[in-house]
Amino acid sequence: DGGITQSPKYLFRKEGQNVTLSCEQNLNHDAMYWYRQDPGQGLRLIYYSQIVNDFQKGDIAEGYSVSREKKESFPLTVTSAQKNPTAFYLCASTRTDTGELFFGEGSRLTVL
Amino acid sequence: DAKTTQPPSMDCAEGRAANLPCNHSTISGNEYVYWYRQIHSQGPQYIIHGLKNNETNEMASLIITEDRKSSTLILPHATLRDTAVYYCIVRGQGGSEKLVFGKGTKLTVNP
Repeated sequence: DGGITQSPKYLFRKEGQNVTLSCEQNLNHDAMYWYRQDPGQGLRLIYYSQIVNDFQKGDIAEGYSVSREKKESFPLTVTSAQKNPTAFYLCASTRTDTGELFFGEGSRLTVL
Repeated sequence: DAKTTQPPSMDCAEGRAANLPCNHSTISGNEYVYWYRQIHSQGPQYIIHGLKNNETNEMASLIITEDRKSSTLILPHATLRDTAVYYCIVRGQGGSEKLVFGKGTKLTVNP
């Protein structure tokens, strides 16, 4: 079945380490997004990409980096510069004909 | 900033209709209203969307005011499994622009 796959689902890292979260979609969607969610909060946009080899910063891009070398893949790296990286991370892609967003199941990162 | 405003929380009795409001007073002519819901610790799930006409699907109904400045999501017979956070967003259909979510409405369905 088509969909968005995020991995890993749970991740523990030590402070100061870079971490890369994977997001893969087989929906042939052009646009992809990364959101961060903290407990009891809404979704905040980190980065988004409208097309391969292009991406834009969202509202909270500091301390994060992305790449979009392939249409199917939009990995997010949480760098050591991100001061409070412990959060739930959601990846999404959008269907261009209806505008419907499809979300992955999320990755929960805990920095010890 | 999000283009929509929603109440932070609402309660509803099981079996009754849940009416969730959303204000989007700055919506432009080509922007659609989309609704999503998020059950705890899962990715948000699409519910419904519309431009100006009322819409209905197997999950819910969407009522958009004539001036398009607000809308209401209706869950006709709420169940305990409808307890979730509901997000209303506006965007152009087919667009791939920056999408900003507000904090949504936490709906609690009570037995």
